Amino acid sequence: GAGVSQTPSNKVTEKGKYVELRCDPISGHTALYWYRQSLGQGPEFLIYFQGTGAADDSGLPNDRFFAVRPEGSVSTLKIQRTERGDSAVYLCASSSGVNSPLHFGNGTRLTVT
Amino acid sequence: QKEVEQDPGPLSVPEGAIVSLNCTYSNSAFQYFMWYRQYSRKGPELLMYTYSSGNKEDGRFTAQVDKSSKYISLFIRDSQPSDSATYLCAMLLYNQGGKLIFGQGTELSVKP
Repeated sequence: GAGVSQTPSNKVTEKGKYVELRCDPISGHTALYWYRQSLGQGPEFLIYFQGTGAADDSGLPNDRFFAVRPEGSVSTLKIQRTERGDSAVYLCASSSGVNSPLHFGNGTRLTVT
Repeated sequence: QKEVEQDPGPLSVPEGAIVSLNCTYSNSAFQYFMWYRQYSRKGPELLMYTYSSGNKEDGRFTAQVDKSSKYISLFIRDSQPSDSATYLCAMLLYNQGGKLIFGQGTELSVKP
């Protein structure tokens, strides 16, 4: 498909475990973003990549969260020592450049038990 | 105070009604304004994207921006049951690399 693809769509993990969430952006989009959406809230910014580098990671809540985009396309969001408060929908988006509209995937619903 | 305020609803209207959704914001430096529609268990879908004061129309949807009042609106004409979703306003500072600031979202239900 032509949209942003996120896998898995659902992830249940135990407190303290490590998880990886994957995002495959729209082909040709140089900018990639991760957001987190809690129930009943709007998405909150986590991190933004322009190419391979993280241009802005000011939204990452703490050092348990880390994201990479080694080849400038697919990105992985990594969460270490998960906590119940990390439960949320993690959304990925891509755009053709700064100030261009963001196109979102359907998210990964993470549940930490 | 949040940077972007949006009435969470829920808002329930009969089919065919005109719907008005609103957001206020506090940062006068916001330059880009968006409305997203989000169906249950789906990602936000871009509806409207504007960067100036005034109105922008696309089919049954009209986005209105009033920078002097720091107020944006989305109007939906002839609302349909398929419009039932959560509507999110979002704003962006110039050259902030997609760091959108979202409102809380308004849940809309259009009854047949």
